[in-house]
Amino acid sequence: QVQLVESGGGGVQPGGSLRLSCAASGFTFSNYPMHWVRQAPGRGLEWVAVISYDGTNANYADSVKGRFTISRDNSKNTLFLQMNSLRAEDTAVYYCARDPSSSCGFFDLWGRGTLLTVSS
Amino acid sequence: DIQMTQSPSSLSASVGDRVTITCRTSQTISNCLNWYQQKPGKAPKLLIFGASSLQSGVASRFSGSGSGTDFTFTINSLQPEDFATYYCQQTYSIPRTFGQGTKVEIK
Repeated sequence: QVQLVESGGGGVQPGGSLRLSCAASGFTFSNYPMHWVRQAPGRGLEWVAVISYDGTNANYADSVKGRFTISRDNSKNTLFLQMNSLRAEDTAVYYCARDPSSSCGFFDLWGRGTLLTVSS
Repeated sequence: DIQMTQSPSSLSASVGDRVTITCRTSQTISNCLNWYQQKPGKAPKLLIFGASSLQSGVASRFSGSGSGTDFTFTINSLQPEDFATYYCQQTYSIPRTFGQGTKVEIK
């Protein structure tokens, strides 16, 4: 079954850290760039980060640059998002998404999401 | 960063109506524009990629058009299961920005 399953969300205090995981199955994970997208409660979608298929290149939204790190372990078919110096405004559902395109790009497979709540 | 202006932010329509949503970008993006549908509590679902290509398995009543900076998404003959929020997204450059969303509600 082709799917992505996020985990690792939960409650954390401002300034804290957390690592999200996204387990891929049913397809050749190492062939695809992967993204994290988040959605604050009642708000729209916000792109967070992307990592190349081999993990050698990554890019971030300005809102998380320097605090979040995207990585992957292709041997374990898993994508990660290490989040440090967390702020209240990072509270959101975090989705991982697959990008199958070699040209413009699009997100054809999404996980169900994992909720991060940053609060004291 | 490329700014996305999606309109309207919400609309009310009846089953069988034709619905049109527009997305304008702050700079040209060729055809690197995608459309997603999201229902409450669910992940987004890809409907249209490359401005006008229908994702496999998606109903043919959904369509997209446009190039450059102006794009249109259309639902022909709105069905009950189409009441949701729709987002455009540009993938021409980093960051991969989304529009603000259009909530399609039942009239």
